[in-house]
Amino acid sequence: AQKITQTQPGMFVQEKEAVTLDCTYDTSDQSYGLFWYKQPSSGEMIFLIYQGSYDEQNATEGRYSLNFQKARKSANLVISASQLGDSAMYFCAMREGRRSSASKIIFGSGTRLSIRP
Amino acid sequence: GAVVSQHPSWVICKSGTSVKIECRSLDFQATTMFWYRQFPKQSLMLMATSNEGSKATYEQGVEKDKFLINHASLTLSTLTVTSAHPEDSSFYICSAKSGLNTEAFFGQGTRLTVV
Repeated sequence: AQKITQTQPGMFVQEKEAVTLDCTYDTSDQSYGLFWYKQPSSGEMIFLIYQGSYDEQNATEGRYSLNFQKARKSANLVISASQLGDSAMYFCAMREGRRSSASKIIFGSGTRLSIRP
Repeated sequence: GAVVSQHPSWVICKSGTSVKIECRSLDFQATTMFWYRQFPKQSLMLMATSNEGSKATYEQGVEKDKFLINHASLTLSTLTVTSAHPEDSSFYICSAKSGLNTEAFFGQGTRLTVV
């Protein structure tokens, strides 16, 4: 069964607008972590933001915020005031189980975000 | 954030030869390293998880004899693609984490082309 679902294969957004990238997940663990990564065309994976399952507040990092809806099992990424440099692939990822040295991180299928000038 | 260096960034090899990819953590001790494979326009698929000093744990469907992983030190893991074939052509990317730290840091990736 797919663990991480990103239903938007591609999105176009006007520069300076806010954008929400959707992510839903499936796990039976009570303890888990959720990540968002950005992958530009060069290929490297850039960590954006992290949310732990027990974190009561939504994570924020600069222009990035994570809208964590635990009951709905969703972890949407919100990018405020989008910039041309935000154009990239965005991956939602999840670490299952209690945080341990071997906890693996699995990825969703990604959303390609394109910012229009 | 911490730095993970992956080398080479791209490689072209002949079918039947072996290719080694290195993943180094430059400023932290990586107790765990992960190897992923990414086909064009697709997501990252976890191939294996390696802990320093122990055998790698491979994901279902990944041939451990074909994709040899060595994690001999806290700063270096290697992935060797043995007897490479054109279907092994892909983007391989490693990530490394230290102990119980939340975040895993990624290398730059290696684009392998087998001709």
